[in-house]
Amino acid sequence: GQNIDQPTEMTATEGAIVQINCTYQTSGFNGLFWYQQHAGEAPTFLSYNVLDGLEEKGRFSSFLSRSKGYSYLLLKELQMKDSASYLCAVSDSNYQLIWGAGTKLIIKP
Amino acid sequence: GAVVSQHPSRVICKSGTSVKIECRSLDFQATTMFWYRQFPKQSLMLMATSNEGSKATYEQGVEKDKFLINHASLTLSTLTVTSAHPEDSSFYICSASVLSPSGKPNEQFFGPGTRLTVL
Repeated sequence: GQNIDQPTEMTATEGAIVQINCTYQTSGFNGLFWYQQHAGEAPTFLSYNVLDGLEEKGRFSSFLSRSKGYSYLLLKELQMKDSASYLCAVSDSNYQLIWGAGTKLIIKP
Repeated sequence: GAVVSQHPSRVICKSGTSVKIECRSLDFQATTMFWYRQFPKQSLMLMATSNEGSKATYEQGVEKDKFLINHASLTLSTLTVTSAHPEDSSFYICSASVLSPSGKPNEQFFGPGTRLTVL
């Protein structure tokens, strides 16, 4: 079966760095997405990785290792507004998105 | 670019009535539109995938006669919850997908969601 695993909840301090991991087992792979979702709102796109390596975009970076079925989202200089759920999603061989359950990130002052 | 709108943003209805939710891609033509449901503190659950001019493909466990999807054009899809009951109360989110110039095969652009409450 297809499976996406990510931690349920994480806590970090304002100004610090946090890494949210995602492991996946899917039938085929056509890229991995990270989305941010604030409570009561729809998800917003953060990043897309299809090749191994690190993609940096401002305070956010995303890493992919296809051989390990592993990705992480790195958030630097955390701000209170970064408190949200972070969803990992993998595009499978049929280009269908398989969603993780999301990681709720709590930022403390 | 790539803006998706949803209407209404919030609806409260009586049990047994039907509710229609519209999803529009405002500045692009969407190859495919997706309908999701999300219960509190849970992740997105894909309900169905629809392509313009063809019947929607429903996920296992989703009743197609209860959740009617119409995808009349490349910019509009509608979801009708028929004979709604309190257990249908949820956050319904649509998304639209298109092959982007950057080559991402199916980046999905999400609408703002519709909060449905059935009394």
